[in-house]
Amino acid sequence: DVKVTQSSRYLVKRTGEKVFLECVQDMDHENMFWYRQDPGLGLRLIYFSYDVKMKEKGDIPEGYSVSREKKERFSLILESASTNQTSMYLCASSLGPGNTIYFGEGSWLTVV
Amino acid sequence: RKEVEQDPGPFNVPEGATVAFNCTYSNSASQSFFWYRQDCRKEPKLLMSVYSSGNEDGRFTAQLNRASQYISLLIRDSKLSDSATYLCAVNPGYSTLTFGKGTMLLVSP
Repeated sequence: DVKVTQSSRYLVKRTGEKVFLECVQDMDHENMFWYRQDPGLGLRLIYFSYDVKMKEKGDIPEGYSVSREKKERFSLILESASTNQTSMYLCASSLGPGNTIYFGEGSWLTVV
Repeated sequence: RKEVEQDPGPFNVPEGATVAFNCTYSNSASQSFFWYRQDCRKEPKLLMSVYSSGNEDGRFTAQLNRASQYISLLIRDSKLSDSATYLCAVNPGYSTLTFGKGTMLLVSP
């Protein structure tokens, strides 16, 4: 079974703090993704990566950056957290373009 | 037209009922299609892929209609445990899937 692990499940951060969300997958997948999900807005793609050190902007990259130094690890960084970044963040991976996407359990971030 | 659209519901059905959801997509070049299930405050999980010829997995049947650009999910003999939000996902031709916002299903005793 594919395993996508998000190490931080529940976080509370203060406005202006730098936030790191880590994600690791164990299936040697090429593609990795970061989404956020908010009520009524569905899943929105923040960034994705199709190879080590490669990244592409998704639909809502503003206020976020990512890092992929190793194939199995994809990190989402909030340089200066704001209250409108309070959300559920989902990491995902897939073998390649158009393939099934597998999600981690999610990270619930509250920015106060 | 939005890329992927779903009726948000909720669909309220009694146990044992048959229920169907549709999902329309705008990009005629889309190649792969999926249904995901998401329980409240949980991550989406793959329910089934959708093949051109249609496919069935137990009580669940998925179909693709390329001419009208929609996919469907049919659930027979609904169970209480089927209550969830069902997301469709479409590959519009580039490397990411595009998800619908989901259809909520509530199965009651």
